[in-house]
Amino acid sequence: DQQVKQNSPSLSVQEGRISILNCDYTNSMFDYFLWYKKYPAEGPTFLISISSIKDKNEDGRFTVFLNKSAKHLSLHIVPSQPGDSAVYFCAASVGGNTPLVFGKGTRLSVIA
Amino acid sequence: DTGVSQDPRHKITKRGQNVTFRCDPISEHNRLYWYRQTLGQGPEFLTYFQNEAQLEKSRLLSDRFSAERPKGSFSTLEIQRTEQGDSAMYLCASSGDSGNYEQYFGPGTRLTVT
Repeated sequence: DQQVKQNSPSLSVQEGRISILNCDYTNSMFDYFLWYKKYPAEGPTFLISISSIKDKNEDGRFTVFLNKSAKHLSLHIVPSQPGDSAVYFCAASVGGNTPLVFGKGTRLSVIA
Repeated sequence: DTGVSQDPRHKITKRGQNVTFRCDPISEHNRLYWYRQTLGQGPEFLTYFQNEAQLEKSRLLSDRFSAERPKGSFSTLEIQRTEQGDSAMYLCASSGDSGNYEQYFGPGTRLTVT
């Protein structure tokens, strides 16, 4: 049973527009959420996180929104750049400093 | 560069052989995690340490797998009697415990069992 789901395997966006990546979770005990970006043959790179006491967190072009009642979070990238093309993983944990549960990832392609 | 490092980056081995991977975490981080990633999947948790204590092992971790972190610094992951199903990317991550819980990943070790 997948506790973290990324239902869109891929997404294409024009350069300069907004990219929205979605993630759903089923375990109501999750209280800390992270987004990672991954290029081929490299480890995941941390992007942004949010704890369940917040509903929004921003860092530069990246904003994560958390809707606890819907068990849904999303990552917004504005404006999208060709260098953002990668696989994006959503991850969740219970308590923050514990093992992460990952989704299967969404491949983002930003077209110039 | 003070990021997480892993060695080797690639390992090709024959079925039945033993392999060992090493991870050096970010120096001030006391938590160290091992994950495994196969094609089309997200990373899956294997085991983790706080300092030298192994806190949890996933049920994915069969008894052919063993991990150590003897002095609370680097860690090793050993796979005995490798099988073709062990072929995967093995990822190591580390985190601190001062309120920032982000896990920072190394580049991974790609294992191919022939």
